[in-house]
Amino acid sequence: SQKIEQNSEALNIQEGKTATLTCNYTNYSPAYLQWYRQDPGRGPVFLLLIRENEKEKRKERLKVTFDTTLKQSLFHITASQPADSATYLCALYTGGFKTIFGAGTRLFVKA
Amino acid sequence: NAGVTQTPKFQVLKTGQSMTLQCAQDMNHNSMYWYRQDPGMGLRLIYYSASEGTTDKGEVPNGYNVSRLNKREFSLRLESAAPSQTSVYFCASRDHRQGYGYTFGSGTRLTVV
Repeated sequence: SQKIEQNSEALNIQEGKTATLTCNYTNYSPAYLQWYRQDPGRGPVFLLLIRENEKEKRKERLKVTFDTTLKQSLFHITASQPADSATYLCALYTGGFKTIFGAGTRLFVKA
Repeated sequence: NAGVTQTPKFQVLKTGQSMTLQCAQDMNHNSMYWYRQDPGMGLRLIYYSASEGTTDKGEVPNGYNVSRLNKREFSLRLESAAPSQTSVYFCASRDHRQGYGYTFGSGTRLTVV
C-alpha cells in the first residue's frame, strides 16, 4: 500500500531563512500531490497542488517540487516569518476519491 | 463565511453512548469526507460521499455510520462509542476540478471514557 513519510522531528529555523520540508512516498507515483498547513486546534488549510508532470510550482513565498524518480516532494518557504510556524502536511492522491495524508512536520520560525 | 462548519467542537462520551457529528458546507461541493486525526498519524479517511445520495467506506469505517442528508450536509454517527474512537474528527469537502484541494472544518475533539 502507498505510504508517506514526513520528518517527525520539528524543524527550527531563524526568521528570514528558507525552510525546506520533505515528503517521501513509496510505491507508485500519484497523479498529484498536495500540501496543507495546520495550526493547533484548527483544520488543515490547502496551500498548493502539484501534478506529476510538473516539476515545480510557486505561490508567493512558497515553492513545491515533485520528483517522481526520487518519489519525493520538497516544500520550501522563503524569507520565513514567525507567522509561518505551523504543522505542514503532505497528501497524495491515490485514486478515486481517496487521498492519504502524512503525519506532518512541525515548523518553528524564531524571530 | 464560506466553508465547512462542524458541530460540536468538543464532546465527552461514556463508553457505549452514541452521538452524531454534524457537518455542513456552503460551497456547492459534490464530495464530502470524514477523517480522524490521531497523534503521530496522518489523517485517516473514515467515510466519504462522492455525491448526494452516495456513501462509501474509507480506510477505518468500523464503528461508524454516515448519512449524506443533502448536498450540503454529511453527518457521522457513532452508535456505541469506544475509547479507541477518542480522536479529533474533521469533515471536509472538495471541488474536484483540477488544482483544488480539500476544505476542512475546524474539527471535533471527541473523548470517550
